[in-house]
Amino acid sequence: GAGVSQTPSNKVTEKGKYVELRCDPISGHTALYWYRQSLGQGPEFLIYFQGTGAADDSGLPNDRFFAVRPEGSVSTLKIQRTERGDSAVYLCASSLIVAGGLNEQFFGPGTRLTVL
Amino acid sequence: GQQVMQIPQYQHVQEGEDFTTYCNSSTTLSNIQWYKQRPGGHPVFLIQLVKSGEVKKQKRLTFQFGEAKKNSSLHITATQTTDVGTYFCAGRGNEKLTFGTGTRLTIIP
Repeated sequence: GAGVSQTPSNKVTEKGKYVELRCDPISGHTALYWYRQSLGQGPEFLIYFQGTGAADDSGLPNDRFFAVRPEGSVSTLKIQRTERGDSAVYLCASSLIVAGGLNEQFFGPGTRLTVL
Repeated sequence: GQQVMQIPQYQHVQEGEDFTTYCNSSTTLSNIQWYKQRPGGHPVFLIQLVKSGEVKKQKRLTFQFGEAKKNSSLHITATQTTDVGTYFCAGRGNEKLTFGTGTRLTIIP
C-alpha cells in the first residue's frame, strides 16, 4: 500500500489476556518505530527497528511487552498479561534512514487498545 | 533521559489571530521535527530543522530552531479553521525521537 497500515484498528480485551498488534510499513523503509499514545499526551517511544534487529528497545515499559520484525518488513507488537493501564493508541511509524538527511517518520492510523 | 516540554498545553484563538507554540529540550538536539495531529488522526510530519538558529517558512507557518539547539518554536500567522489540531515537536537523539507534550490549538470562528 501507499502508507503505513496497522491492524486491528480497535482491540478490546480483558485484563490478563495476550494481544498482538500488527504494523505494515511503507515498502522499502528500513526503519520502523512503535509508539504508545495516551489521551492528551504525545507519542511515547517504545522500540525502534533498523532492518530485522531492535536497535533501541529502551522505551518498552516492562517485560510484558515484546516486538519482532523477522523479515525486516512487517512488525508485531506483543503484550502479555494485559493490564488496564496498557489501554492506549499504539502507533507505528516507518522511515528511510538517510545519514545527515531528512528522516521523516510516516505514521500509521494506530490501533486503539482497550483493556477491560 | 531526554525530556521535551511544550507550552502552552492548550491555545484557543479567534480565526485570523496568530498562534505560537514553544518547545524546550532538557538536552542538546541533533535536529528537531514538528508534527501535526488532527483530532482523531495520526501525527503528520511538517518539517525538520537541523542547523543552529535555523528558520524555515511554510506559507503561514514559521519554524525556528534555537541557537543552542535546545529549543524551537512554531508560529502560525492569521490562523484558519484548517489549522485546528495538536502540534508536537519531536527532538532527535540518535535515531530515537522524543515527542513533546503537544499544544492543542482550537479556533473560534
